[in-house]
Amino acid sequence: GNSVTQMEGPVTLSEEAFLTINCTYTATGYPSLFWYVQYPGEGLQLLLKATKADDKGSNKGFEATYRKETTSFHLEKGSVQVSDSAVYFCALPVYSGAGSYQLTFGKGTKLSVIP
Amino acid sequence: DSGVTQTPKHLITATGQRVTLRCSPRSGDLSVYWYQQSLDQGLQFLIQYYNGEERAKGNILERFSAQQFPDLHSELNLSSLELGDSALYFCASSVGRAGEKLFFGSGTQLSVL
Repeated sequence: GNSVTQMEGPVTLSEEAFLTINCTYTATGYPSLFWYVQYPGEGLQLLLKATKADDKGSNKGFEATYRKETTSFHLEKGSVQVSDSAVYFCALPVYSGAGSYQLTFGKGTKLSVIP
Repeated sequence: DSGVTQTPKHLITATGQRVTLRCSPRSGDLSVYWYQQSLDQGLQFLIQYYNGEERAKGNILERFSAQQFPDLHSELNLSSLELGDSALYFCASSVGRAGEKLFFGSGTQLSVL
């Protein structure tokens, strides 16, 4: 079935450093791919998505490109800020029948950005 | 604010007890999903309801059950609680059955002592 594997954390970076969080997927067909973010004490929220191969999702300075050749969807940001400290989850949908899908998530990567 | 409300925020109980977690989805959303988040297992899908009907089951134990009411709020019932059930339980909602863009509540932190 569909699944994602993302790099384990935690990741600690200095402010303005470059961020990459790796995510690879196993899927039937070419499902949409997602990055969700969980800020401390909050629920997850959608950060960005890509719906087909070679699509680039972007939001808040974060980017991820859907690469079917390498089955990857790595999250990148050129210059992180302290406010980016959070847990990041890669996700893709799993079909459960009757038109219903649920998201399956990676284990999450905790990012801490220090001033 | 995601618009999804979960109560209570924290719950402390003893082994063998039963608890009920409540979720009110965003206005207009028909689907409700329950997820369990723990340090060792990560975020695990438990169950999905759409407009009052169960649509999909994930890694939900037989001791757990859920329902969605006509006003679309949902409850997750956890019984015969064990220490290992301690976790953060999230509810999420979406407009349709295809749960891609989910709106998550802030979660209920369950501690079983």
